[in-house]
Amino acid sequence: SAVISQKPSRDICQRGTSLTIQCQVDSQVTMMFWYRQQPGQSLTLIATANQGSEATYESGFVIDKFPISRPNLTFSTLTVSNMSPEDSSIYLCSVNRGRGYGYTFGSGTRLTVV
Amino acid sequence: DQQVKQNSPSLSVQEGRISILNCDYTNSMFDYFLWYKKYPAEGPTFLISISSIKDKNEDGRFTVFLNKSAKHLSLHIVPSQPGDSAVYFCAASALGGSARQLTFGSGTQLTVLP
Repeated sequence: SAVISQKPSRDICQRGTSLTIQCQVDSQVTMMFWYRQQPGQSLTLIATANQGSEATYESGFVIDKFPISRPNLTFSTLTVSNMSPEDSSIYLCSVNRGRGYGYTFGSGTRLTVV
Repeated sequence: DQQVKQNSPSLSVQEGRISILNCDYTNSMFDYFLWYKKYPAEGPTFLISISSIKDKNEDGRFTVFLNKSAKHLSLHIVPSQPGDSAVYFCAASALGGSARQLTFGSGTQLTVLP
């Protein structure tokens, strides 16, 4: 399965600032997925990032708040903009190498907004 | 509307015994189901999956059972080990391509007591 390097692993940020999370995959993948896990809750898909086109956002998530870049087939970034304490969550990127391999996740970024 | 439900937030089992984690879904379009294990401060790790054309898939100590008529799946761990203590998420995906988004349940915290 794919190996994903995600950073930073954690950060504490002031409200009103922005944080960019990076994910690097060890092989080329068509789609990369960004998830959020709020405290005590399940993983929720934020958006799907395709190389060369705009990301597709799920209901409740907008590009202005969570801009995504996908400059090539091995890399993507998610920015959490104008942060508030409600944005405190774990953010995860994920890829799929084929249905039989399952989805591989990065180690996550634990964000705390104060 | 929660399409994938894990009604038990926690489960405690004695070492050596069987752990049974349950998951229900409502979307009849789901045709592929996965179980993930998550340790604190790590991303979810793929454990086992099952296609809707099967009713059972086994991998070592882990077996997943699917009951399509009941829209129910379960994960059996036999024998349970203390290292199995983690949060277990079930996830479901609908047919459509090689890389599909996942819908996750809310997770069950499994504690295996030595």
